Amino acid sequence: DARVTQTPRHKVTEMGQEVTMRCQPILGHNTVFWYRQTMMQGLELLAYFRNRAPLDDSGMPKDRFSAEMPDATLATLKIQPSEPRDSAVYFCASGAPGTGETQYFGPGTRLLVL
Amino acid sequence: GDSVTQMEGPVTLSEEAFLTINCTYTATGYPSLFWYVQYPGEGLQLLLKATKADDKGSNKGFEATYRKETTSFHLEKGSVQVSDSAVYFCALSDYVADKLIFGTGTRLQVFP
Repeated sequence: DARVTQTPRHKVTEMGQEVTMRCQPILGHNTVFWYRQTMMQGLELLAYFRNRAPLDDSGMPKDRFSAEMPDATLATLKIQPSEPRDSAVYFCASGAPGTGETQYFGPGTRLLVL
Repeated sequence: GDSVTQMEGPVTLSEEAFLTINCTYTATGYPSLFWYVQYPGEGLQLLLKATKADDKGSNKGFEATYRKETTSFHLEKGSVQVSDSAVYFCALSDYVADKLIFGTGTRLQVFP
């Protein structure tokens, strides 16, 4: 049963610290999405990649957030420095060519910045 | 640009009641339409989808029909269960930008 995995599942950190979240897309999927979910803003698309190349990161605060795909099996989302307003659940999703745009979501990383 | 509008929640129902969650969309092309479900503490899961007008998607007793004339994709279930309590998201595919556009989500609460 292929799944998107995300680590860590929970992270508590202090303001100003660096946070790195990791995602392993489903093997063979060539599109990876990063979302942020909060009660106030709902589900927001931060950035997405196809074949490891960034397609759009306009949803991401550029000064502190960065997203990369070092290889086809790993996507990372980094926040440096973190702020309390970054507290949210961060989801990674992946998609395969020919699946009609269906996205498969990971379980999320729940981030709390104190 | 393309967009999705969902009814405000929460929707509160008793077990075995009929469910409708409204979803309408605005799109310049002919998108595919989706319903995703998010159970507490989990990520979103695809519930059903439809790829062209008049298609009906169905899964786990849920159904939705792609209505081009009314630009709608309402989610229905004839008899809800407590285990259906979750947040439901309507979405459409944006072929130009190659991504999904999600609605704001509708929380469903089913009581015994």
